[in-house]
Amino acid sequence: EPEVTQTPSHQVTQMGQEVILRCVPISNHLYFYWYRQILGQKVEFLVSFYNNEISEKSEIFDDQFSVERPDGSNFTLKIRSTKLEDSAMYFCASSDKGRGYTFGSGTRLTVV
Amino acid sequence: QKEVEQNSGPLSVPEGAIASLNCTYSDRGSQSFFWYRQYSGKSPELIMFIYSNGDKEDGRFTAQLNKASQYVSLLIRDSQPSDSATYLCAVRTRLVFGQGTRLTINP
Repeated sequence: EPEVTQTPSHQVTQMGQEVILRCVPISNHLYFYWYRQILGQKVEFLVSFYNNEISEKSEIFDDQFSVERPDGSNFTLKIRSTKLEDSAMYFCASSDKGRGYTFGSGTRLTVV
Repeated sequence: QKEVEQNSGPLSVPEGAIASLNCTYSDRGSQSFFWYRQYSGKSPELIMFIYSNGDKEDGRFTAQLNKASQYVSLLIRDSQPSDSATYLCAVRTRLVFGQGTRLTINP
């Protein structure tokens, strides 16, 4: 069964550093998303991406965040200057619009 | 008002019984509704989606949608210990999740 792949599975970074989280969506999907889940809290929408541009973003997705589809397969989330409160599980998801989203297994980001 | 609301639980159900999970949503224009299951430390996994009013059955799972009441539910028949997880209700357009209901099936 097709799956969404995320790397790395766990990233530890120092506060103020930049991190890039990587995702390979399902190949025939056209819609891509990033979500995050702070430990013990709900899954929160960050951003959706379609046709090489952001289609929607939440209030969480401020100027320190950016997304990119650098080639035909990868979809990345960059956090420019990490803060302690950015520590969370970050999930990438993709969909073909008609159905539910398929989530990757997540990247656990720990900011120290 | 929260966009998607669920009772966070925990909801405890004996093995073999029916587990009933409920969700309400605020955007009357919502078109698509999803139930995800999330095991601790894992990513959400799609169980079912429903677009039309009424019931949709898939194996032991039944999703029920009532757009007039802005209410969607998930029934799990013959509950198994492996069904113990947090169940997330989600509503499109962008997928907005409720806080999840933690379900425990007691053997």
